[in-house]
Amino acid sequence: DQQVKQNSPSLSVQEGRISILNCDYTNSMFDYFLWYKKYPAEGPTFLISISSIKDKNEDGRFTVFLNKSAKHLSLHIVPSQPGDSAVYFCAASESVFKNSGYALNFGKGTSLLVTP
Amino acid sequence: DARVTQTPRHKVTEMGQEVTMRCQPILGHNTVFWYRQTMMQGLELLAYFRNRAPLDDSGMPKDRFSAEMPDATLATLKIQPSEPRDSAVYFCASGIENTEAFFGQGTRLTVV
Repeated sequence: DQQVKQNSPSLSVQEGRISILNCDYTNSMFDYFLWYKKYPAEGPTFLISISSIKDKNEDGRFTVFLNKSAKHLSLHIVPSQPGDSAVYFCAASESVFKNSGYALNFGKGTSLLVTP
Repeated sequence: DARVTQTPRHKVTEMGQEVTMRCQPILGHNTVFWYRQTMMQGLELLAYFRNRAPLDDSGMPKDRFSAEMPDATLATLKIQPSEPRDSAVYFCASGIENTEAFFGQGTRLTVV
């Protein structure tokens, strides 16, 4: 049962344009959301996160938007660069204050290709 | 440069053999995760530990998989006996509660 869904397996964008990667979740208890980037033969690397008390978080060229009512988040990359070509994973977890700890639930990833 | 270290990076084994994957989490991190990446399922959570105690291993096939943390610097994932369907990349990650998890480079397992 996939609680975090990335419905677009792939996305192609021209260099300099905006890349928008989307993610939906089904568990209303999720309150911490993250994006990871993964290059071939490497482990995923953390990119940006957002907690449920915010609706936007920005870090340089990367901005994550959270729409709790729609259970939807998106990652915007502006401007896109060829080095951004990678697989992007969306992840979510329940309350980090749970005594039982937390686990990151991942989507299946979206492969982004930024063309020159 | 703190990072999660996984060994081996690659493993090819015959069906029925035991496989042991090792992970050294980042010093000071109290949560350790094991994930498996497959084409069909993406990143699946197999097990995770907090302060070396197993919290959830419901994602793991119990009859053949086992995960342990003998001490704070070592986490292991064992498969016995291995099967071709276990072929995947296995990632270990560590973190501190309320922050992101850091991943190792993974162990690519091929069972023939």
